This record gives sequence, structure tokens and C-alpha cells, in this order.
Amino acid sequence: KNQVEQSPQSLIILEGKNCTLQCNYTVSPFSNLRWYKQDTGRGPVSLTIMTFSENTKSNGRYTATLDADTKQSSLHITASQLSDSASYICVVASGGSYIPTFGRGTSLIVHP
Amino acid sequence: DGGITQSPKYLFRKEGQNVTLSCEQNLNHDAMYWYRQDPGQGLRLIYYSQIVNDFQKGDIAEGYSVSREKKESFPLTVTSAQKNPTAFYLCASSATSGRLNNEQFFGPGTRLTVL
Repeated sequence: KNQVEQSPQSLIILEGKNCTLQCNYTVSPFSNLRWYKQDTGRGPVSLTIMTFSENTKSNGRYTATLDADTKQSSLHITASQLSDSASYICVVASGGSYIPTFGRGTSLIVHP
Repeated sequence: DGGITQSPKYLFRKEGQNVTLSCEQNLNHDAMYWYRQDPGQGLRLIYYSQIVNDFQKGDIAEGYSVSREKKESFPLTVTSAQKNPTAFYLCASSATSGRLNNEQFFGPGTRLTVL
């Protein structure tokens, strides 16, 4: 069964600090991996998307990495801001299927 | 939120009532999806449609119904048979071909509360 596991479940950091969120998956065959940011009460918004041949992708202060061999991805947030407080969801798409597998998300709180 | 709109943003339902949530997209996407999100849980798939006039049940379809009469629209009806409908509902759409195949774009969501 395809699964996506995210850690930690929640994280509290101080403004200006860096943090890294983890995503492990057992989706096969792999097509692509996406990180979404979801603000409270809003729909998820895509941050990055990586295919098998890509091992890093940046979007401003967000940098995602992908290790297809170990089936792991990370999302690194640099110089965190209060607006980074949100849930971050890892989503893995399987080749040949329209239905991706969602992780449960990591809830990030940035304190001033 | 891209080119996907959902309405209403908040919806209150009395027990025993059916309610319909609207989802419209102008991204020319063939595929559309409905998800339910509960606190502390990941998104769970209710129904999805890959093409007009066709749709498939997801993991938690019981108590819900959908229609796909137009490419742009995929309304979700929450029936009285759904025993615990209070949740945040998200609609999404995606292309079915091309480099961004399967990348889902989400609407802003509808929060449904049963009174």
C-alpha cells in the first residue's frame, strides 16, 4: 500500500531560525513529489514539485530535496518568518494513477 | 487558490438536510477531486472525476454524491446519510497530460458545520 509519512507532526521555532521537515514515502512507481503549504482555513498551495531526476528545488526561502534511492524528501525553511506558520503537506504521485498519496502534514508554528 | 473557486466559504446544516457544495475551475483541467479534511488527519478522497460525465468513488464516498455535467464544475452533495459531516471540504483539479500531469490545484475550501 502506498504511504507517505511526515515528521515531525508539529514544530515550534523562533522567528529567524531555520528548520527542516521530513517526508518518507513508499509509493511505487514514483512519478513526482510535491510540497504544499496550507494556511489555517485555506486550501493547500504548491511550493515545489520534483520528478525522479531532480534532487533539489528552491522557491524563495523554501528548498526541497529528494533522494529517490532512499525514498526520502526534506523541506528546508531558511530564516523563518511569522507567515511561515502553517501546515506543510508532502504529496507523492504514482505513475499511471491520477490519485496521489498525501502525508498528514507537519504543523509549523513560528513565534516572534 | 489558482483558478478554482468554492462556495460557500462557510455552510451550516441541520441534521437530516442535504447540502450541496460548489466547485468551479477555469484551468481547463480534465480531472477534479473532492477531499475531506479533519483536524489532525490528512486529506481523504471522497470522489474524483477524470472526464465529463464520469466519476469514481474515493476512500470515503458513503453519504456523499457528485455530478460532472460540465468540465468546469464538480458539485458535491452531502446527504443526510453522512453521519459525521462536520469538516473542511477541499476541491482540486489537475491536468491529465503534460509535464505537470497530476499536479493538483486546490480551491479555498468550504467549512461545513452540522447544527
